[in-house]
Amino acid sequence: NAGVTQTPKFQVLKTGQSMTLQCAQDMNHNSMYWYRQDPGMGLRLIYYSASEGTTDKGEVPNGYNVSRLNKREFSLRLESAAPSQTSVYFCASSEAAALNQPQHFGDGTRLSIL
Amino acid sequence: AQSVTQLDSHVSVSEGTPVLLRCNYSSSYSPSLFWYVQHPNKGLQLLLKYTSAATLVKGINGFEAEFKKSETSFHLTKPSAHMSDAAEYFCVVSLYGQNFVFGPGTRLSVLP
Repeated sequence: NAGVTQTPKFQVLKTGQSMTLQCAQDMNHNSMYWYRQDPGMGLRLIYYSASEGTTDKGEVPNGYNVSRLNKREFSLRLESAAPSQTSVYFCASSEAAALNQPQHFGDGTRLSIL
Repeated sequence: AQSVTQLDSHVSVSEGTPVLLRCNYSSSYSPSLFWYVQHPNKGLQLLLKYTSAATLVKGINGFEAEFKKSETSFHLTKPSAHMSDAAEYFCVVSLYGQNFVFGPGTRLSVLP
């Protein structure tokens, strides 16, 4: 009964390095989301995928790319990491990008960019 | 555009006393509203949701929230705080599902 699984849990990068954050859900949800959480700012949406094969920008997409690999998996890529991308990243999923559907969250990836 | 205001960044209560976490929202249409809780180093867990049915919503762990359209508020309450309630709480407004907007969060401390 894993729900939403994120890997890795922690990562330290140097400025300019690239990496991919992985997310997988086992609830057969159609919609998936990537957020970043910074102190005092709540969660801000980076990208989302309403259904398999579609992706859309959220509030803060600059510096990120995403791939909806299949229905289960939604990855987030940092092509050239910057210190401003130091944050906690959360993946979430919901049954459908429609009204009244709560999101289910993973435990987060803590990313530090030096 | 939607927005969420959580009026207190930090609330401190004694164990066994009532909890009130305040949330006000703005939205052009009738939104869905949620409260989530986040314990340290964990993801967010859904406490309760309002979806245009009953205005008083009951959630997990004894929490409730009342939707007041005239006040554009969705305050979270619990009659008696427990030590395990210490966490960060987020009020969220949603329109059409893919547009979740989070408040900045309220940190709840529970004193013995």
